[in-house]
Amino acid sequence: RKEVEQDPGPFNVPEGATVAFNCTYSNSASQSFFWYRQDCRKEPKLLMSVYSSGNEDGRFTAQLNRASQYISLLIRDSKLSDSATYLCAVNSNTGGFKTIFGAGTRLFVKA
Amino acid sequence: DAGITQSPRHKVTETGTPVTLRCHQTENHRYMYWYRQDPGHGLRLIHYSYGVKDTDKGEVSDGYSVSRSKTEDFLLTLESATSSQTSVYFCAISESDGISGNYEQFFGPGTRLTVL
Repeated sequence: RKEVEQDPGPFNVPEGATVAFNCTYSNSASQSFFWYRQDCRKEPKLLMSVYSSGNEDGRFTAQLNRASQYISLLIRDSKLSDSATYLCAVNSNTGGFKTIFGAGTRLFVKA
Repeated sequence: DAGITQSPRHKVTETGTPVTLRCHQTENHRYMYWYRQDPGHGLRLIHYSYGVKDTDKGEVSDGYSVSRSKTEDFLLTLESATSSQTSVYFCAISESDGISGNYEQFFGPGTRLTVL
């Protein structure tokens, strides 16, 4: 079993739709959680950190469920520009600096 | 954007030849990483560094070595390139945010390596 798993998709949604991604992790000692966005042929870029209480940044909401060991990303009112691959990431070692990435979920938003 | 550059950005080489990829940062971050990204596998950690001359292996380190003689530079060497090492290689840097203990990573633009 992979340490961090995501549904690879692709998710095909119309503009304006709400879409949710889930990501599960296997190491219960994991401490920090993130969502990254990666555009085609580009490097991943940090979208948002995921905090225990959940956090929101505009149309994006991230949540953490430690009991079930998953994190989620909700995108409301999808835009064409949201089309990308979304990677979840988990810091798994006690030092917190080594990150394990999921394989990513591909999102296509169509007009 | 974080000051991270990678060189070369593209390289085509032949099986059996040595290859060195360079990552250079201007952020003075302590931690540096090398990943490879392949379809279906996502980002996989090759090696990482937690300080000058301090390095450790990641999950796919076989066939790769690294060196870090200065804070700003992290080199990845393929001693004898094989076709299975054809991939996109990303360098990343991180530092604790000093508040929550989060180590957000910032990535370089990547190097596309083709081994024929």
